[in-house]
Amino acid sequence: AQTVTQSQPEMSVQEAETVTLSCTYDTSENNYYLFWYKQPPSRQMILVIRQEAYKQQNATENRFSVNFQKAAKSFSLKISDSQLGDTAMYFCAFMKHGPGANNLFFGTGTRLTVIP
Amino acid sequence: DVKVTQSSRYLVKRTGEKVFLECVQDMDHENMFWYRQDPGLGLRLIYFSYDVKMKEKGDIPEGYSVSREKKERFSLILESASTNQTSMYLCASPPLRNPLNYEQYFGPGTRLTVT
Repeated sequence: AQTVTQSQPEMSVQEAETVTLSCTYDTSENNYYLFWYKQPPSRQMILVIRQEAYKQQNATENRFSVNFQKAAKSFSLKISDSQLGDTAMYFCAFMKHGPGANNLFFGTGTRLTVIP
Repeated sequence: DVKVTQSSRYLVKRTGEKVFLECVQDMDHENMFWYRQDPGLGLRLIYFSYDVKMKEKGDIPEGYSVSREKKERFSLILESASTNQTSMYLCASPPLRNPLNYEQYFGPGTRLTVT
């Protein structure tokens, strides 16, 4: 079974500063995907960034980047130049690659508050 | 623009009532999922369906059932609602298994309160 752990229930950051959200996971799979989802107060889950486990290069999407350490099973999210609109719950998620329905395994979430 | 819709944003039901939560997707996807979201627990998979009339239990299926009579619609059923089923319910649908496009699209969620 897959487990995803987010050890920071809440975090805050000053506007324009950088913050890193932590995520670790446990799996016996070799091929998989990792995701960070954002859930703002509107409740709509939005994909922020994804990483394929077979890729060594860390994924980046504008101000969002990840530090993927496959051996350590670690997948942290770095948000640069934080903006007020980044205030949200952030969920780390894991998905197996291969046959079968591709359901997600989620962590418990980190509530991020960006302070003006 | 792809879309997953859920029938209600907020729902209040009484203990013992039969409750239907509806999810509709317009992406012609085979797979559809129902998750439950609770504070401190994240999202947990209740049931999923990989084709019409096909269903599989997720991690927490007890107290729930599902129905998939048409490809675009996936219903979550609480046969006899209980207060511990008060939660946020999220429906999701990913595209076909395709390593270039595996994002799951989520509905806006239904916040269900059972009194």
